[in-house]
Amino acid sequence: DIQMTQSPSALSASVGDRVTITCRASQGISNFLAWFQQKPGKVPTRLIYASSSLQSGVPSRFSGSGSGTEFTLTISSLQPEDFATYYCLQHNSYPLTFGGGTKVEIK
Amino acid sequence: EVQLLESGGGLVQPGGSLRLSCVASTFTFNTYAMSWVRQAPGKGLEWVSGISNSGFNTYYADSVKGRFTISRDNSKNTLYLQMKSLRAEDTAVYYCAMPEKDFWGRGTLVTVSS
Repeated sequence: DIQMTQSPSALSASVGDRVTITCRASQGISNFLAWFQQKPGKVPTRLIYASSSLQSGVPSRFSGSGSGTEFTLTISSLQPEDFATYYCLQHNSYPLTFGGGTKVEIK
Repeated sequence: EVQLLESGGGLVQPGGSLRLSCVASTFTFNTYAMSWVRQAPGKGLEWVSGISNSGFNTYYADSVKGRFTISRDNSKNTLYLQMKSLRAEDTAVYYCAMPEKDFWGRGTLVTVSS
Protein backbone atom coordinates (compact mmCIF):
# COMPACT_ATOMS: atom_id res chain seq x y z
CA ASP A 1 0.00 0.00 0.00
CA ILE A 2 1.16 3.53 -0.73
CA GLN A 3 1.51 5.86 2.24
CA MET A 4 1.18 9.61 1.78
CA THR A 5 3.11 11.74 4.27
CA GLN A 6 1.88 15.31 4.29
CA SER A 7 3.70 18.18 6.00
CA PRO A 8 3.31 20.31 7.91
CA SER A 9 0.18 19.16 9.75
CA ALA A 10 -0.62 22.77 10.57
CA LEU A 11 0.77 26.20 9.87
CA SER A 12 0.05 29.79 10.82
CA ALA A 13 0.38 32.40 8.13
CA SER A 14 -0.64 35.94 7.34
CA VAL A 15 -2.63 37.29 4.42
CA GLY A 16 -0.22 37.78 1.54
CA ASP A 17 2.21 35.08 2.66
CA ARG A 18 3.51 32.38 0.35
CA VAL A 19 2.55 28.95 1.66
CA THR A 20 3.98 25.59 0.65
CA ILE A 21 2.59 22.16 1.58
CA THR A 22 4.34 18.91 0.74
CA CYS A 23 3.21 15.32 0.20
CA ARG A 24 5.62 12.43 -0.09
CA ALA A 25 4.56 9.07 -1.43
CA SER A 26 6.13 5.88 -0.13
CA GLN A 27 6.56 4.73 -3.73
CA GLY A 28 6.28 6.30 -7.13
CA ILE A 29 2.82 7.40 -8.21
CA SER A 30 3.71 9.19 -11.46
CA ASN A 31 1.45 12.25 -11.48
CA PHE A 32 -1.66 10.61 -10.03
CA LEU A 33 -1.89 13.20 -7.30
CA ALA A 34 -4.66 15.67 -6.48
CA TRP A 35 -4.94 18.45 -3.93
CA PHE A 36 -8.17 19.28 -2.09
CA GLN A 37 -9.32 22.14 0.09
CA GLN A 38 -11.88 21.56 2.80
CA LYS A 39 -13.63 24.12 4.99
CA PRO A 40 -15.46 23.15 8.19
CA GLY A 41 -18.72 21.34 7.54
CA LYS A 42 -18.18 21.32 3.79
CA VAL A 43 -17.38 18.69 1.19
CA PRO A 44 -13.78 18.75 -0.08
CA THR A 45 -13.17 20.58 -3.33
CA ARG A 46 -10.34 19.79 -5.74
CA LEU A 47 -7.79 22.49 -6.46
CA ILE A 48 -5.21 20.60 -8.48
CA TYR A 49 -5.34 17.37 -10.49
CA ALA A 50 -2.63 15.37 -12.25
CA SER A 51 -0.13 16.93 -9.85
CA SER A 52 0.02 20.34 -11.53
CA SER A 53 -3.18 21.03 -13.47
CA LEU A 54 -5.37 23.77 -12.04
CA GLN A 55 -9.02 22.88 -11.59
CA SER A 56 -11.34 25.13 -13.56
CA GLY A 57 -12.48 28.08 -11.47
CA VAL A 58 -9.66 27.83 -8.94
CA PRO A 59 -7.62 31.02 -8.52
CA SER A 60 -4.21 31.06 -10.16
CA ARG A 61 -2.49 31.72 -6.84
CA PHE A 62 -2.78 27.95 -6.30
CA SER A 63 -0.23 25.78 -8.04
CA GLY A 64 1.00 22.22 -7.81
CA SER A 65 4.21 20.53 -8.81
CA GLY A 66 6.02 17.23 -8.54
CA SER A 67 6.12 13.76 -9.93
CA GLY A 68 7.06 10.34 -8.65
CA THR A 69 7.23 10.59 -4.88
CA GLU A 70 7.39 14.28 -3.95
CA PHE A 71 4.68 16.82 -4.53
CA THR A 72 4.04 20.40 -3.54
CA LEU A 73 1.02 22.66 -3.27
CA THR A 74 1.87 26.36 -3.26
CA ILE A 75 -0.37 29.31 -2.49
CA SER A 76 1.52 32.30 -3.83
CA SER A 77 -0.30 34.97 -1.82
CA LEU A 78 -2.58 33.73 0.92
CA GLN A 79 -6.06 35.25 0.94
CA PRO A 80 -8.60 35.30 3.80
CA GLU A 81 -10.76 32.69 2.05
CA ASP A 82 -7.81 30.27 1.86
CA PHE A 83 -7.81 29.51 5.56
CA ALA A 84 -8.87 25.87 5.47
CA THR A 85 -7.51 22.33 5.60
CA TYR A 86 -5.69 20.91 2.60
CA TYR A 87 -5.28 17.25 1.63
CA CYS A 88 -3.37 15.39 -1.03
CA LEU A 89 -4.76 12.20 -2.58
CA GLN A 90 -2.88 9.56 -4.51
CA HIS A 91 -4.97 7.63 -7.02
CA ASN A 92 -2.23 5.71 -8.76
CA SER A 93 -3.35 2.45 -7.21
CA TYR A 94 -5.76 0.99 -4.71
CA PRO A 95 -6.08 1.48 -1.84
CA LEU A 96 -6.34 5.18 -2.55
CA THR A 97 -4.70 7.21 0.18
CA PHE A 98 -5.06 10.73 1.48
CA GLY A 99 -2.38 12.68 3.22
CA GLY A 100 -3.02 13.52 6.85
CA GLY A 101 -4.04 17.09 6.08
CA THR A 102 -2.58 20.56 6.64
CA LYS A 103 -4.62 23.09 8.57
CA VAL A 104 -3.80 26.62 7.48
CA GLU A 105 -4.61 29.09 10.24
CA ILE A 106 -4.46 32.84 10.59
CA LYS A 107 -1.36 34.21 12.29
CA GLU B 1 -23.64 17.74 -13.03
CA VAL B 2 -22.95 14.50 -11.22
CA GLN B 3 -25.32 13.84 -8.33
CA LEU B 4 -24.60 11.36 -5.55
CA LEU B 5 -27.10 10.95 -2.72
CA GLU B 6 -26.22 8.86 0.30
CA SER B 7 -28.63 7.36 2.79
CA GLY B 8 -28.67 4.80 5.57
CA GLY B 9 -26.61 6.52 8.23
CA GLY B 10 -27.68 6.68 11.83
CA LEU B 11 -26.96 5.58 15.38
CA VAL B 12 -25.90 1.97 15.90
CA GLN B 13 -24.52 0.11 18.89
CA PRO B 14 -20.99 -1.27 18.93
CA GLY B 15 -20.95 -4.64 17.20
CA GLY B 16 -23.97 -3.74 15.12
CA SER B 17 -24.49 -3.47 11.38
CA LEU B 18 -25.60 -0.82 8.96
CA ARG B 19 -25.95 -0.58 5.19
CA LEU B 20 -25.28 2.66 3.37
CA SER B 21 -26.67 3.36 -0.08
CA CYS B 22 -25.73 5.92 -2.69
CA VAL B 23 -27.94 6.69 -5.65
CA ALA B 24 -26.14 8.22 -8.61
CA SER B 25 -27.73 10.31 -11.31
CA THR B 26 -26.90 12.45 -14.34
CA PHE B 27 -23.95 10.33 -15.43
CA THR B 28 -23.30 6.86 -16.82
CA PHE B 29 -22.87 5.09 -13.52
CA ASN B 30 -21.70 1.77 -14.95
CA THR B 31 -18.64 3.30 -16.57
CA TYR B 32 -17.04 4.58 -13.38
CA ALA B 33 -15.25 3.07 -10.41
CA MET B 34 -16.70 4.33 -7.15
CA SER B 35 -15.45 4.79 -3.60
CA TRP B 36 -16.55 5.42 -0.06
CA VAL B 37 -14.55 8.00 1.88
CA ARG B 38 -15.12 8.82 5.55
CA GLN B 39 -14.22 11.59 7.94
CA ALA B 40 -14.37 11.11 11.69
CA PRO B 41 -15.31 14.17 13.76
CA GLY B 42 -12.41 16.62 13.76
CA LYS B 43 -10.21 14.24 11.76
CA GLY B 44 -8.91 13.93 8.24
CA LEU B 45 -10.25 12.22 5.15
CA GLU B 46 -9.91 8.44 4.99
CA TRP B 47 -10.54 6.38 1.87
CA VAL B 48 -12.52 3.33 2.99
CA SER B 49 -13.37 1.19 -0.01
CA GLY B 50 -13.55 1.14 -3.79
CA ILE B 51 -15.19 -0.91 -6.51
CA SER B 52 -14.57 -1.21 -10.23
CA ASN B 53 -17.20 -0.12 -12.73
CA SER B 54 -18.34 -3.71 -13.28
CA GLY B 55 -18.31 -4.57 -9.59
CA PHE B 56 -15.87 -7.39 -10.21
CA ASN B 57 -12.97 -5.84 -8.32
CA THR B 58 -13.27 -4.51 -4.78
CA TYR B 59 -10.72 -2.83 -2.53
CA TYR B 60 -10.61 -1.97 1.16
CA ALA B 61 -8.59 0.00 3.66
CA ASP B 62 -6.94 -2.21 6.27
CA SER B 63 -9.06 -0.55 8.96
CA VAL B 64 -12.28 -2.04 7.53
CA LYS B 65 -11.12 -5.16 5.73
CA GLY B 66 -13.19 -8.17 6.74
CA ARG B 67 -15.94 -6.03 8.28
CA PHE B 68 -17.17 -3.86 5.41
CA THR B 69 -18.39 -4.98 1.98
CA ILE B 70 -18.79 -2.69 -0.99
CA SER B 71 -21.11 -3.56 -3.84
CA ARG B 72 -23.06 -1.93 -6.63
CA ASP B 73 -26.19 -2.49 -8.67
CA ASN B 74 -25.63 -0.86 -12.03
CA SER B 75 -29.26 -1.48 -13.04
CA LYS B 76 -30.29 0.78 -10.15
CA ASN B 77 -27.38 3.23 -10.35
CA THR B 78 -26.71 2.45 -6.72
CA LEU B 79 -23.59 1.90 -4.63
CA TYR B 80 -23.70 0.14 -1.28
CA LEU B 81 -21.54 -0.24 1.79
CA GLN B 82 -22.47 -3.04 4.16
CA MET B 83 -20.85 -2.41 7.54
CA LYS B 84 -20.65 -5.10 10.23
CA SER B 85 -18.97 -5.42 13.62
CA LEU B 86 -19.06 -1.66 13.93
CA ARG B 87 -16.75 0.06 16.39
CA ALA B 88 -16.73 3.48 18.01
CA GLU B 89 -13.84 4.43 15.71
CA ASP B 90 -16.08 3.88 12.68
CA THR B 91 -18.08 6.95 13.72
CA ALA B 92 -17.78 9.37 10.81
CA VAL B 93 -19.45 11.10 7.93
CA TYR B 94 -19.39 8.65 5.03
CA TYR B 95 -19.14 10.10 1.53
CA CYS B 96 -20.01 8.31 -1.67
CA ALA B 97 -17.45 9.65 -4.08
CA MET B 98 -15.17 9.49 -7.05
CA PRO B 99 -12.51 11.53 -5.27
CA GLU B 100 -10.06 11.30 -8.16
CA LYS B 101 -12.64 13.06 -10.32
CA ASP B 102 -13.83 15.42 -7.56
CA PHE B 103 -17.35 13.99 -7.42
CA TRP B 104 -18.76 13.80 -3.89
CA GLY B 105 -22.07 13.22 -2.22
CA ARG B 106 -23.09 15.31 0.76
CA GLY B 107 -22.33 12.49 3.17
CA THR B 108 -24.28 10.51 5.73
CA LEU B 109 -23.38 10.40 9.41
CA VAL B 110 -22.76 7.07 11.09
CA THR B 111 -22.53 7.12 14.88
CA VAL B 112 -21.44 4.00 16.73
CA SER B 113 -22.28 4.34 20.39
CA SER B 114 -24.09 2.56 23.19
